[in-house]
Amino acid sequence: EPEVTQTPSHQVTQMGQEVILRCVPISNHLYFYWYRQILGQKVEFLVSFYNNEISEKSEIFDDQFSVERPDGSNFTLKIRSTKLEDSAMYFCAGARDVESPLHFGNGTRLTVT
Amino acid sequence: ILNVEQSPQSLHVQEGDSTNFTCSFPSSNFYALHWYRWETAKSPEALFVMTLNGDEKKKGRISATLNTKEGYSYLYIKGSQPEDSATYLCAFRTGANNLFFGTGTRLTVIP
Repeated sequence: EPEVTQTPSHQVTQMGQEVILRCVPISNHLYFYWYRQILGQKVEFLVSFYNNEISEKSEIFDDQFSVERPDGSNFTLKIRSTKLEDSAMYFCAGARDVESPLHFGNGTRLTVT
Repeated sequence: ILNVEQSPQSLHVQEGDSTNFTCSFPSSNFYALHWYRWETAKSPEALFVMTLNGDEKKKGRISATLNTKEGYSYLYIKGSQPEDSATYLCAFRTGANNLFFGTGTRLTVIP
């Protein structure tokens, strides 16, 4: 069964550095999402992407965040200048349509020191 | 941000016991309610997508019901097994762009 692949599985970075998290979605999916979970807290929505553009973003997704689809298939989530509070598990997810469940990647654990 | 509440936050049951937990969500602008099972060190895995008031879905020993008018869904596990130990997440969808997740119910099944 096709899977959503995220890399790296774990990223450690210093505060103020830029990080890029990568996601390879399932090929027939059209709706894409980034979520994060800070340890011990709920899964939080960051941004959704459809038809090659952002369809919705949360207040967490400020100017420090950006999402791109550089080659039409892979996704990247970039955090320009990381803060300690950005430490979390970041999940990429996709769905074929709005009636379908989300398929999640295994996540990238980001640790900002 | 929409408020999706799950209770209890955590639950310990003996192997063989049946159990259930609740997801509460806003009753307006309902589009769909999702349930996911999330095991440690894995990614969340979809259990059910429910869209109609009164919907009941079943997958093996796990079933779910939906009441969109009062804004709640129940997840039931019959005859719990140790492999059912996981966090169970519900998520509320108002449209195409977003799914709002609850805090999850962490289930531990004691052998």
